Amino acid sequence: AQKVTQAQTEISVVEKEDVTLDCVYETRDTTYYLFWYKQPPSGELVFLIRRNSFDEQNEISGRYSWNFQKSTSSFNFTITASQVVDSAVYFCALSLNSGYSTLTFGKGTMLLVSP
Amino acid sequence: DTAVSQTPKYLVTQMGNDKSIKCEQNLGHDTMYWYKQDSKKFLKIMFSYNNKELIINETVPNRFSPKSPDKAHLNLHINSLELGDSAVYFCASSPRDRAGTGELFFGEGSRLTVL
Repeated sequence: AQKVTQAQTEISVVEKEDVTLDCVYETRDTTYYLFWYKQPPSGELVFLIRRNSFDEQNEISGRYSWNFQKSTSSFNFTITASQVVDSAVYFCALSLNSGYSTLTFGKGTMLLVSP
Repeated sequence: DTAVSQTPKYLVTQMGNDKSIKCEQNLGHDTMYWYKQDSKKFLKIMFSYNNKELIINETVPNRFSPKSPDKAHLNLHINSLELGDSAVYFCASSPRDRAGTGELFFGEGSRLTVL
């Protein structure tokens, strides 16, 4: 069975600081997908990124960047120059490429960015 | 136009009652899901339907009965509500050709409170 661990329950930073959210996953499959979702205080789940297991290239999107390392089974998420609007719960998730796969979520990391 | 819409958004009811949450998606997707988010923010798959057919049932009590009248709708009916059923329920959908990748489009969630 697969598992996703987000060891950081809550992180508090001051605006403009950089912050990294950790995600470690476990699976015996060689083909899988990793995700990050954002859940702002309003409650909806917002898709941020999907990465497949064969693509270890890091990705940058504006102030967001993701570091995927198969050797350590990690898929970390960094926010550069954090802003108050980044305050949310962030979920890392894993999906196997097997038919009607579903997402296995980590327990989430609550990020609080203060002015 | 909301892609995945759930009604009601908030539901407060007494223990022992029966209630339903409706979900509709206008994305033309074949696969729909129900996820449950508990008070600790943990998200877990409950059911998955593909084109009206039940695909995944993750050891959910049989008091929970999903119903899919057509591929655009997946409703969740809960009998004999218990305190532990209090949670936010998220409906989601994905396109058939990407069902295995876990790329989901989530609704805004329905917060159920059982008193």
